Parts: sequence; C-alpha cells; structure tokens
Amino acid sequence: EVQLVESGGDLVQPGGSLRLSCVASGFTFSDFAMHWVRQAPGKGLEYVSGISTKGDTTHHVNSVKGRFTISRDNFKDTLYLQMGSLRPEDTALYYCARESHCRGTSCYLFDLWGQGTLVTVSS
Amino acid sequence: DVVMTQSPLSLPVTLGQPASISCRSSQSLVHSDRNTYLNWFQQRPGQSPRRLIYRVSNRDSGVPDRFSGSGSGSDFTLKISRVEAEDVGVYYCMQGTHWPRTFGQGTKVEIK
Repeated sequence: EVQLVESGGDLVQPGGSLRLSCVASGFTFSDFAMHWVRQAPGKGLEYVSGISTKGDTTHHVNSVKGRFTISRDNFKDTLYLQMGSLRPEDTALYYCARESHCRGTSCYLFDLWGQGTLVTVSS
Repeated sequence: DVVMTQSPLSLPVTLGQPASISCRSSQSLVHSDRNTYLNWFQQRPGQSPRRLIYRVSNRDSGVPDRFSGSGSGSDFTLKISRVEAEDVGVYYCMQGTHWPRTFGQGTKVEIK
C-alpha cells in the first residue's frame, strides 16, 4: 500500500527537542521530494520544511529557521524533522507529504499525506 | 514568500446549491516550464488533507465532477456545482510553483 506514516510526536517542555519521522512505503521514496506541513489546533495548514530527492537542498519557513532541520535517509525510506528550541506556538499536528513531477495526468505534487503526529509544547 | 489569500473564509451553503471559493496569489503562479502549479485540498473534520484538484483544473481520481477548478496567473477559483452533505470541511489552495510552498488560510464550508 502506498502510504506515509509519521511518528515521534510527544509532549515536550518549552526549549526542548524532538525528532519526527515519516516512513514511506509502496513507492520509490528516493524519487520524491518531501515536505513537512503543520496544523495548530483549530488552525489552517502551514508549510514548514522541504527537502530535495537527494537531500542536498532544503527549505525552512522563517519561523523555524535555525531551530528545525529536515533530513532524509533514502536507504531507510524515512524523512526526519529535528526540532529544537521548541516554543508553545510549535504545538501542532505535523504531516509529511510527497512531491514529484507534475506532467499531463500524472501529478505527484502533495498527492499523498500521512495521518500526522502531534507535538505539544507546554510546561 | 508567496502569499495565498482565500475568500470567503466561511461559506454557509444550502444543500444542492452551488459554492465558490476564490484564491489569489501575491505573485504569478506560472512556472518557467509554463505550467501553473495550483492545487486545491479538502480537509474533512478529523482527517488529513485530500487533494481534489491539481494544476488549476485537473480533478484527482475519485473526486466527484461537481468539483471544478479554474483560473490563471494569480487568480483561481474552486467551484462546487451542487453542495452535498459530505462536502462539509475546510478547503485550501496551495501553490507549488515557488519555494517555499504556501497555503491559503482555508475556507470553511458548512451547511446552512
């Protein structure tokens, strides 16, 4: 089955760290750029970070730059988000999503999402 | 970063009536490859987002044909021809032309 499964979410104190994982199955993980998107309780979707197929290019939104690092292991078909200096405003459900080419009727631009993993930052 | 602005943010609709959501981007979404990477997503309560429309107007497999997307450049629209009860949820536009990818604020569709 083609799927993404996130894990690693937890309750953590402000200033703490956490590493999220997203395991891919059913498709060739190394052919896809990957992304993290978060959703605070009752709020909309916020793009967080993205990484190229080989992991040599990454993007982070300004609010997480210097605190979060996206990475991947193509041998383990796994995407990571290392989160540090966590703040209460980082509390959210974190989703991973994939991206590949988008031509003709074949378009893999955020076509597959995981179920999310919940990060709660609170003392 | 490209700002995506949706309107309205709340949309009460009578069953069987049409609904329309607007999405405007702060920059043109026409890519250098001449494609326009504008997606629409539906998020039902308690579920992950589900892509409905890609590249402005292409419906994903399994998406009812009452959903349609249109637009160009920086101005886009999602239309539901006749709203059904299962369409309740929040709808988001997202641009995939520029880095970082960005989402609209979401439009909550509810039944009157």
